[in-house]
Amino acid sequence: AQKVTQAQTEISVVEKEDVTLDCVYETRDTTYYLFWYKQPPSGELVFLIRRNSFDEQNEISGRYSWNFQKSTSSFNFTITASQVVDSAVYFCALSERGGGADGLTFGKGTHLIIQP
Amino acid sequence: EAGVAQSPRYKIIEKRQSVAFWCNPISGHATLYWYQQILGQGPKLLIQFQNNGVVDDSQLPKDRFSAERLKGVDSTLKIQPAKLEDSAVYLCASSLTPGARDTQYFGPGTRLTVL
Repeated sequence: AQKVTQAQTEISVVEKEDVTLDCVYETRDTTYYLFWYKQPPSGELVFLIRRNSFDEQNEISGRYSWNFQKSTSSFNFTITASQVVDSAVYFCALSERGGGADGLTFGKGTHLIIQP
Repeated sequence: EAGVAQSPRYKIIEKRQSVAFWCNPISGHATLYWYQQILGQGPKLLIQFQNNGVVDDSQLPKDRFSAERLKGVDSTLKIQPAKLEDSAVYLCASSLTPGARDTQYFGPGTRLTVL
C-alpha cells in the first residue's frame, strides 16, 4: 500500500530564512507520481509541482525548489528567502498508476509559519 | 479558465440528518474526485469518476455515503444519515484524464459541521 510521511508537523521561521519541508513515501510500484500542494488559510489546495518516478532531476521555480531522491524515497521541498505569504499548510502526495485509478494519497501536512 | 466550483461552502446539520454537496469540475475534465479532509489531516480519497463511471470507491463508506455523476459533468455527494465523525471539509477535484498523467485541481471545499 502507498504511504506518505511528513514528519514535520509545524515549522516556524523568521522571514528571509530558507526552509526545507521533508516528504518520505512508500510504494511498491515502479511508476508513480509525486505532488506538492499548498493550502493557505483560505482552505483551497493550490498545485505546486508534479514529478514522475522516472524523472529525478531537481526542479527550481523562483524561490521554490524540489529534491527528488529515489534511493531514499524522498521528495523534499525548499523555500529560499521565505516570505510571510508562504505561510500555509503544505502537503506532499503520491499517486500510483493502477488501471486508471489515480487518487492521491496525502501526507498529514506541514504547517509552515513565516514570522515577519 | 474557471476553476472547480463547489456549493455550499458551509453546512451545519444535526446528526442523523441528510446532506448533499455539489461539484462542477473544470470544463472538459473527464475525471472527478471527492476527498474528505478531517481537521489536522491530509485529504483522503472517497471516490473517483471517469466521465459518469466509478473508477475507485474503495474508501467510500457505502452504508451512508453515495455519489453520482449522471451526465459526466456535475457531481453530487450525499451523506445519509450523518454522524458526528463526518464533520470535515469535502473537497472536489478534477483532472483532464485519469492515470495521473494530468494534475488534479481542487475546488474551495464544503465545510460540514455535524452537531
